[in-house]
Amino acid sequence: GENVEQHPSTLSVQEGDSAVIKCTYSDSASNYFPWYKQELGKRPQLIIDIRSNVGEKKDQRIAVTLNKTAKHFSLHITETQPEDSAVYFCAASIEGTALIFGKGTTLSVSS
Amino acid sequence: KAGVTQTPRYLIKTRGQQVTLSCSPISGHRSVSWYQQTPGQGLQFLFEYFSETQRNKGNFPGRFSGRQFSNSRSEMNVSTLELGDSALYLCASSFGWGKETQYFGPGTRLLVL
Repeated sequence: GENVEQHPSTLSVQEGDSAVIKCTYSDSASNYFPWYKQELGKRPQLIIDIRSNVGEKKDQRIAVTLNKTAKHFSLHITETQPEDSAVYFCAASIEGTALIFGKGTTLSVSS
Repeated sequence: KAGVTQTPRYLIKTRGQQVTLSCSPISGHRSVSWYQQTPGQGLQFLFEYFSETQRNKGNFPGRFSGRQFSNSRSEMNVSTLELGDSALYLCASSFGWGKETQYFGPGTRLLVL
């Protein structure tokens, strides 16, 4: 079945810096890749997703890139702010199957 | 629209007991997935239901079971609780299944003593 590896497990940046989180997946048939943000004590919330027919997607300060050949996708956050501090999860799925999540990255943004 | 709700929010049980957790999806959503979240392990998929049928199942022992009702509400049951079952149990709903965006509930925090 699908396996998703996520790196790094923790990431500390200064406010205004960029942050990059990378995930690799094992099943080349995977075609849906969402990213979730979970603040302390709250539920995971979708922040951006990408499908396999697209190489990059941007939403304000957040972007996701997908490299199907290498089977990896990345989350890029620019101009980080303290409120970006949270745990970020990547996930992958094949249509009709379950979402498989990475183990999460704890992002800390210090001002 | 009201979001995904889960009851109860907190539970304390002892080893050997059983527990039932409930999830009410967003109105109109027909798919419900369940996840176990523990520190360091992220979100591990338990099972997914769509139109009262289990569509996908994760790699958990048979002590973990679930069901979905005709109104799309879902329950999961854990029998013969073990200390290692202590976790946050999250459910997520989506309109369909497969590539659909999933919306999470607040979770049920289960502590097994």
